[in-house]
Amino acid sequence: EPEVTQTPSHQVTQMGQEVILRCVPISNHLYFYWYRQILGQKVEFLVSFYNNEISEKSEIFDDQFSVERPDGSNFTLKIRSTKLEDSAMYFCASSRDRTSYEQYFGPGTRLTVT
Amino acid sequence: DQQVKQNSPSLSVQEGRISILNCDYTNSMFDYFLWYKKYPAEGPTFLISISSIKDKNEDGRFTVFLNKSAKHLSLHIVPSQPGDSAVYFCAASAGGYFGNEKLTFGTGTRLTIIP
Repeated sequence: EPEVTQTPSHQVTQMGQEVILRCVPISNHLYFYWYRQILGQKVEFLVSFYNNEISEKSEIFDDQFSVERPDGSNFTLKIRSTKLEDSAMYFCASSRDRTSYEQYFGPGTRLTVT
Repeated sequence: DQQVKQNSPSLSVQEGRISILNCDYTNSMFDYFLWYKKYPAEGPTFLISISSIKDKNEDGRFTVFLNKSAKHLSLHIVPSQPGDSAVYFCAASAGGYFGNEKLTFGTGTRLTIIP
């Protein structure tokens, strides 16, 4: 069964450093998303992406964040200058098309900012 | 901003019995609801969903009920099995006809099935 994959599984970085989290969505899916979950809190939407542009972003997704689909398979989330409060699990998700509500999630990347 | 609420942080159920997980929402624009299951160190796994035009959807051991007037949905698992022990998240979408909108999640309920 096709699945969303994410790398790395765990990233440790120092405050102020740039990180890139990588995702490979399900191959025939057209919509891509990033969510995050701070420890003990709910899963929060960050951004959605379709046709090489951002469809929607939350207030969390400020100028420090960017997303890119550099090729036909990868979908990346970049945090330009990490803060302690960026420590969280980051989940990538994808959905098939515009009529599909179900989003399929990857296993997540645990980001630890020290 | 608690648009989707799961008021029970945990639930313990005997194996073979029914597990009922509850979810309430406040946003009237939500028109599609999903349940996800999550094991530790894994991403949320889609379980079952329901459109606001229905009041029930069934898939094997899992049934979701939607009460629009009460803004309440529930997930029933019958019979409960040890492998069902996980955190269950309720999520909602306000996509209208188109489904590609963001999901708003509840805080989750940790279900423990007692053998």
